Amino acid sequence: LAKTTQPISMDSYEGQEVNITCSHNNIATNDYITWYQQFPSQGPRFIIQGYKTKVTNEVASLFIPADRKSSTLSLPRVSLSDTAVYYCLVGELMNRDDKIIFGKGTRLHILP
Amino acid sequence: NAGVTQTPKFRILKIGQSMTLQCAQDMNHNYMYWYRQDPGMGLKLIYYSVGAGITDKGEVPNGYNVSRSTTEDFPLRLELAAPSQTSVYFCASSYERTSFVTQYFGPGTRLLVL
Repeated sequence: LAKTTQPISMDSYEGQEVNITCSHNNIATNDYITWYQQFPSQGPRFIIQGYKTKVTNEVASLFIPADRKSSTLSLPRVSLSDTAVYYCLVGELMNRDDKIIFGKGTRLHILP
Repeated sequence: NAGVTQTPKFRILKIGQSMTLQCAQDMNHNYMYWYRQDPGMGLKLIYYSVGAGITDKGEVPNGYNVSRSTTEDFPLRLELAAPSQTSVYFCASSYERTSFVTQYFGPGTRLLVL
């Protein structure tokens, strides 16, 4: 599985757009990029997944440049309830020994 | 559907005691996982199962045991609790692994070993 690097923490204000970038220089051809969100005292929750270009759902957008060595999770018009830890994961898991690895994630703090 | 459920929500153990953390899912998922999360840290995989009767070690299996007798249930056993096992434990499940599909997580069990 490709190693990922993302900022440890970010602050933003309500109503702003927040972009969290994840670096994954060793991403393999068949790897997907997946983001999870974890609220305090809860388990992680799947947000979005993509392979290339742009993916959008009701929660977020995911931008992936052509070289796929990084990706950006975009949260439009955040609110206080978006305060959470966001994890970037990269991999394909084609082999039984492959394991999903959650790093420390990015701790996003939304201010009023 | 209840999704993934875990019991208990919180437990205090004395050093050397044993306990079983329960996990159940009603989504007919083949894959199930146990993670632990220490304060301010990411999740670490303890054990996982690819189906009933099949389990495998994750990153941090020492001090734990699992079994998978049914598709729905995946209990985690702590035999001799140690302070280092103080953590929040999450159970998760997914339909398949090979397409990196969504993992569904339970609400967690907070364990304190004193």
